[in-house]
Amino acid sequence: AQSVTQLGSHVSVSEGALVLLRCNYSSSVPPYLFWYVQYPNQGLQLLLKYTSAATLVKGINGFEAEFKKSETSFHLTKPSAHMSDAAEYFCAVSDGGGFKTIFGAGTRLFVKA
Amino acid sequence: EAGVTQFPSHSVIEKGQTVTLRCDPISGHDNLYWYRRVMGKEIKFLLHFVKESKQDESGMPNNRFLAERTGGTYSTLKVQPAELEDSGVYFCASSPTSWDSAQYFGPGTRLLVL
Repeated sequence: AQSVTQLGSHVSVSEGALVLLRCNYSSSVPPYLFWYVQYPNQGLQLLLKYTSAATLVKGINGFEAEFKKSETSFHLTKPSAHMSDAAEYFCAVSDGGGFKTIFGAGTRLFVKA
Repeated sequence: EAGVTQFPSHSVIEKGQTVTLRCDPISGHDNLYWYRRVMGKEIKFLLHFVKESKQDESGMPNNRFLAERTGGTYSTLKVQPAELEDSGVYFCASSPTSWDSAQYFGPGTRLLVL
């Protein structure tokens, strides 16, 4: 069975500071991993995905994530936070078969001026 | 290109009533998924259509939930009769192929059962 754990339901950073959102996964097969973002009153938007190619994945809006098999982690980072990054972020895993995606509980990012 | 749309955006009903949620996927996407997020919890998978066929409905909570996708286009999710614990946000997503499993999500329907 697959599962995802996001460490920290809330993260607060100052504008311009590093953003680090943590995600650990569990999967019995090579996983497909995703980060989604949800802005208020909108649907989830794909930030980036890992599908067994390069372990460092670059996404939209300056975000990137690194797949570390030994640590079963897929943490999301951005070098410099912007006020517009305030949103809820979801890490997710699937078995690549196009079937159900398992989501973490979400991390709400606050950006302070 | 239009994204995934859902209707209604909000619904408030009383316990025991029936509600039908609709999802229009991105045109040409064979795969359609329903998810639900109960307040404060994670987003949970409900079911997956490939065209008009149910590929996986392992996440459906019980037989009060009925999903259909007639003609392989839009989908409906009916809850009958609704219970208090059915409250939450219902998301629909679609994807063009099964192997490229990034999904495109709609804005969700916020259901409140009183």
